[in-house]
Amino acid sequence: GIQVEQSPPDLILQEGANSTLRCNFSDSVNNLQWFHQNPWGQLINLFYIPSGTKQNGRLSATTVATERYSLLYISSSQTTDSGVYFCAVVWETSGSRLTFGEGTQLTVNP
Amino acid sequence: DVKVTQSSRYLVKRTGEKVFLECVQDMDHENMFWYRQDPGLGLRLIYFSYDVKMKEKGDIPEGYSVSREKKERFSLILESASTNQTSMYLCASSLCYLQSSYNEQFFGPGTRLTVL
Repeated sequence: GIQVEQSPPDLILQEGANSTLRCNFSDSVNNLQWFHQNPWGQLINLFYIPSGTKQNGRLSATTVATERYSLLYISSSQTTDSGVYFCAVVWETSGSRLTFGEGTQLTVNP
Repeated sequence: DVKVTQSSRYLVKRTGEKVFLECVQDMDHENMFWYRQDPGLGLRLIYFSYDVKMKEKGDIPEGYSVSREKKERFSLILESASTNQTSMYLCASSLCYLQSSYNEQFFGPGTRLTVL
């Protein structure tokens, strides 16, 4: 099956700093999503981005499907950005099933 | 906005009990999914359904069954709960199995199940 690797596994920032999270995948994908898991466990949809670039406030994402990676940018980080960020893909032959990376644990200190 | 709801946020059950986890979505989505999340193992797909009364096994179906009698509702059943089924259970839905573009998955708030 497809492999989804996220880096770094852990990231600690001071409030106001910028960061880049990376997601590499081993095969062609139909869909790619970025999620933020809040402290209560809910997965919040950040981006649906199988290709191209999108921005939403302080967050933006870029997927380069031909090179099999996606990047999530967080600018001017806030303590509320803390949590785990997951990348998940739908592999071309997997129908609608998402395969998740292991996540990046982000801690933003005041 | 898509809304996916789960019947309980926290649940404590005893070994051997039959457990029902309910999930409801309000956007007329065809696909529904059950995942479990465990530390060190990530999110793993248990079962999914792409239509009423249809179901497909995911990566870890053993010890679970599912029911989809209505389009908006997808139930996960633990026939005889065991301690190794203590986990966070997440339900999700997406629009259409056959649609290759714009098939974003939306998740419910999760159920933390403890089996004693």
